[in-house]
Amino acid sequence: AQTVTQSQPEMSVQEAETVTLSCTYDTSESNYYLFWYKQPPSRQMILVIRQEAYKQQNATENRFSVNFQKAAKSFSLKISDSQLGDTAMYFCAFMKFHNDMRFGAGTRLTVKP
Amino acid sequence: KAGVTQTPRYLIKTRGQQVTLSCSPISGHRSVSWYQQTPGQGLQFLFEYFSETQRNKGNFPGRFSGRQFSNSRSEMNVSTLELGDSALYLCASSLVSMVGGAGGEAFFGQGTRLTVV
Repeated sequence: AQTVTQSQPEMSVQEAETVTLSCTYDTSESNYYLFWYKQPPSRQMILVIRQEAYKQQNATENRFSVNFQKAAKSFSLKISDSQLGDTAMYFCAFMKFHNDMRFGAGTRLTVKP
Repeated sequence: KAGVTQTPRYLIKTRGQQVTLSCSPISGHRSVSWYQQTPGQGLQFLFEYFSETQRNKGNFPGRFSGRQFSNSRSEMNVSTLELGDSALYLCASSLVSMVGGAGGEAFFGQGTRLTVV
């Protein structure tokens, strides 16, 4: 079974600084997708960034980027120039082809002014 | 374009009752997936419907069931409610099936907070 581990239950960062959230996963598949979702207090899950395992290039979306290490089964999220609106729960998710998404336990990120 | 709409937003039920939750996907999306979110178990996959057919099911008892209508709206039903069913229930819609498709982006609703007393 695929498992996703987020080892940091809580993190905090000062506004405008950079923070990295960790995620590791376990799979025997070679083709799969990885996602980072953000869940603010409004509870709505919002896709932050997505990575296809067959792509070696790390995905980036504005201030958000990932460090995808396929051999190490690691998928960390870097948030640059943190903003107060980035305060939320962040979930790492794994999805192999033709299957459902599996989520990690989440990391609660607080951005401090 | 309207997002994913879940109704009701909040619900309080008594043990033993049954409940029906509704999810309207984004227009044009044919896949609806349901997730249960609790502090203890995190986010767990319940099932996915695509074109009115259940494509995949998570590890939940038969008390949890669902269906999808021809307009892609989906309902989830929980019968004989237990205290442990208290959770945030999230639905997500996507253009392609999570099972048959290729990693289609899932858009989530704001969830229904179910409290069982």
